[in-house]
Amino acid sequence: AQTVTQSQPEMSVQEAETVTLSCTYDTSENNYYLFWYKQPPSRQMILVIRQEAYKQQNATENRFSVNFQKAAKSFSLKISDSQLGDTAMYFCAFMSNAGNMLTFGGGTRLMVKP
Amino acid sequence: DTEVTQTPKHLVMGMTNKKSLKCEQHMGHRAMYWYKQKAKKPPELMFVYSYEKLSINESVPSRFSPECPNSSLLNLHLHALQPEDSALYLCASSQETTISTDTQYFGPGTRLTVL
Repeated sequence: AQTVTQSQPEMSVQEAETVTLSCTYDTSENNYYLFWYKQPPSRQMILVIRQEAYKQQNATENRFSVNFQKAAKSFSLKISDSQLGDTAMYFCAFMSNAGNMLTFGGGTRLMVKP
Repeated sequence: DTEVTQTPKHLVMGMTNKKSLKCEQHMGHRAMYWYKQKAKKPPELMFVYSYEKLSINESVPSRFSPECPNSSLLNLHLHALQPEDSALYLCASSQETTISTDTQYFGPGTRLTVL
């Protein structure tokens, strides 16, 4: 069974600065997908970024980028130029290529301060 | 804007009531999901409908029953719930093929309170 660990329950960052959220996972599979989801106080679970394990290039989406280290089983999220609207709970998630079950980490609550 | 809609946004019910949560997706996806999320916890998968086949998390009690009238609609029928069932219920969908999975997109959720 896969496990996903987010070691930072809470983080804070000043507006316009950069912050990195950590995620590690454990799997014996070679092909899989990794995701970061954002859940603001409005409760909507929003996809931030997705990474296919077979791709060596790190995924980027505007101010969001990942550092995917397959050998180390690490998948961190970097948020550049943090904005107040980035305040949310962030979940790292794993999905096998052979199934449709998302395994979530425990979440990191990020507060962006003005 | 989400393309997965859920109704109602909020629901308060007694333990003897019967109610239903509704979910609709407008993306032509073939897989739909129900998750339960308690406060400050990650979502927990309850049910999956994929190509009209139901998969169940065996830890989910029988007072929850899903129904998939068609590939774009997913209902969750509630009966004789307990106060500990109070939670945020999230629906999701994905464009699943027979050879690979795809990203799950979530609806805004229904906040359920059982008195």
